[in-house]
Amino acid sequence: DTGVSQDPRHKITKRGQNVTFRCDPISEHNRLYWYRQTLGQGPEFLTYFQNEAQLEKSRLLSDRFSAERPKGSFSTLEIQRTEQGDSAMYLCASVSRVTDTQYFGPGTRLTVL
Amino acid sequence: AQSVTQLDSQVPVFEEAPVELRCNYSSSVSVYLFWYVQYPNQGLQLLLKYLSGSTLVESINGFEAEFNKSQTSFHLRKPSVHISDTAEYFCAVTRGTSYGKLTFGQGTILTVHP
Repeated sequence: DTGVSQDPRHKITKRGQNVTFRCDPISEHNRLYWYRQTLGQGPEFLTYFQNEAQLEKSRLLSDRFSAERPKGSFSTLEIQRTEQGDSAMYLCASVSRVTDTQYFGPGTRLTVL
Repeated sequence: AQSVTQLDSQVPVFEEAPVELRCNYSSSVSVYLFWYVQYPNQGLQLLLKYLSGSTLVESINGFEAEFNKSQTSFHLRKPSVHISDTAEYFCAVTRGTSYGKLTFGQGTILTVHP
């Protein structure tokens, strides 16, 4: 257990539905990252927050995706009008100022039917 | 931009044998390098990292990796593996000037047989 939690751990939804995932980072970590991992691939960067500011977004993050980090604490990732291609593991990581190490949560596995 | 290539998608070995998982990277700037491990049904855990200094870095469970700038490699080695080392291993890179997003390789599944 790295101290980063994600909820839910699994989500099954029908195409066209909206889903929202939550990430709770380690409390003193000011930076938070979202990644997506598909079967047989390494994680790919989606977006990055420093405190509450979203500083970078990948081109992978289409208009259907939105992420927030109100008050610089937990973060949410919402996918609107889900498509089958959105099926993946969504990973969250928070970063220690001291060690510059990314600590990953267990991930949310999304299945779009 | 950076990229990472893990040359072997699967590596089967017998217990107590040595193993090397290969990682090559491409970058136009200096980099920090990492190996993460993912055990079955668990999240990614940092195994070891190279930021600066000695090019040979070690983990607490016997793995080591050597940063080779001329060959742009960061291969992971262990002289004697255990059944419990069975997992997927990911090599990752980030810009060395300002720590940020990680670029991962495709992963190598290490399977240790008795």
